[in-house]
Parts: sequence; structure tokens; C-alpha cells
Amino acid sequence: NAGVTQTPKFQVLKTGQSMTLQCAQDMNHNSMYWYRQDPGMGLRLIYYSASEGTTDKGEVPNGYNVSRLNKREFSLRLESAAPSQTSVYFCASSEAPEGSNQPQHFGDGTRLSIL
Amino acid sequence: LAKTTQPISMDSYEGQEVNITCSHNNIATNDYITWYQQFPSQGPRFIIQGYKTKVTNEVASLFIPADRKSSTLSLPRVSLSDTAVYYCLVGPSDNYGQNFVFGPGTRLSVLP
Repeated sequence: NAGVTQTPKFQVLKTGQSMTLQCAQDMNHNSMYWYRQDPGMGLRLIYYSASEGTTDKGEVPNGYNVSRLNKREFSLRLESAAPSQTSVYFCASSEAPEGSNQPQHFGDGTRLSIL
Repeated sequence: LAKTTQPISMDSYEGQEVNITCSHNNIATNDYITWYQQFPSQGPRFIIQGYKTKVTNEVASLFIPADRKSSTLSLPRVSLSDTAVYYCLVGPSDNYGQNFVFGPGTRLSVLP
């Protein structure tokens, strides 16, 4: 059981380049999330998708776009990378049927450096 | 959203019981308390969740007093492998997790 799979695991970009981070889950979860974690900090929510076909902004959405491609996949795109977006990016999913509060399952992260 | 406060760091020795307390004074009636564990270079991992009194699983126990303004994560007989950052989150039951706020957490160091 793979759980939440993120690709790539590492990436180095130059300022202004674009990139898409991929995330897939095999747990048939409804909700998916993208977070970023800066050194020594907690996680901050970028975007989430409560269910297939819907996406909403989190705490720090500027500079990012997302696509919920299907129930399994949720991608995060940086259109024009900036050094301030250097971070570790985590994708998560939860079962979260409406009206419940389900734990989130996380991938192992994508370490992104922007020069 | 209920704000949480935890100690920034704690040290313990192998074999000891570790208790990490989280304060959440403005917890709402429909808020649950959830704890996650994060090892270096990994994503957070769900440990335990509770609403009131005591919850126990194979990994930890969660103690919640009657007023629910705080909660304590208890790790029995820790080992070196329990060295990690522990996050306390408080959030309502009627959302999809989008309002959870991961603060800096508590960095637990288990010493031999």
C-alpha cells in the first residue's frame, strides 16, 4: 500500500522557471492538500481540494496553482518560481466525508530549491 | 480557530514516559484534538485523535480534561526512534481539514 506518493523528491529550479509537483493517493480519499514547510517551521496550507472537481485556497496560495485531475491526483504548479518558494512541499489526503474530521495522510515531500 | 500552545522542545531518556501538553484555551464545542509526529525528511504521521476524557491506541494515550482547554499526549517508555517533532492541532468536526494549523510543534529529543 503506497499511500501518498509525491514526485519528484528533489528539484532545483532557476528563478522564473515553471514546474508542476505531482501527488497521487491510492486510499480512495476524497480530500487532498498541499502544504509547504520552511526550515524549523510548521506546515502552512497552500491549497486544498475537498472533493474531486473542487479546489480552494489555503493560508499561502500566492504564486501557486493547483489541479485536481481526478480523485487520485492533485498537482501543484509554480508558474514563475521565486527564491521565496524554496521549501519542502507536502501533499496529504484524508477520507473526510462531509461532516467528519478525519486524519490526514502525508507523502514524504518534495524538496524544492530555487536559485 | 482554536490557537494551540506547546513547548518548543523537550528532552527525555530512553525508557521514560513522556508527556507533552498542549494548551487550547478557546477550543470550540465541535473541535477535535489531533496529534501528529514528524521525523526528519518525512511527512507528518497521524498518532491519535480525541474529543474528551482519554483515548489510547498502540502508540500513545491522549488525556483531555473536562474543560478541554488543554490536552496531554503521553508516550510510554520512549526509545531513540521516538525523537521527532510532535504537533497538536485543534479543528472543528465539520470541515475537511483545511483549517488545521500546524504550528512549530514540540521537538522531542530522546537520549540514550
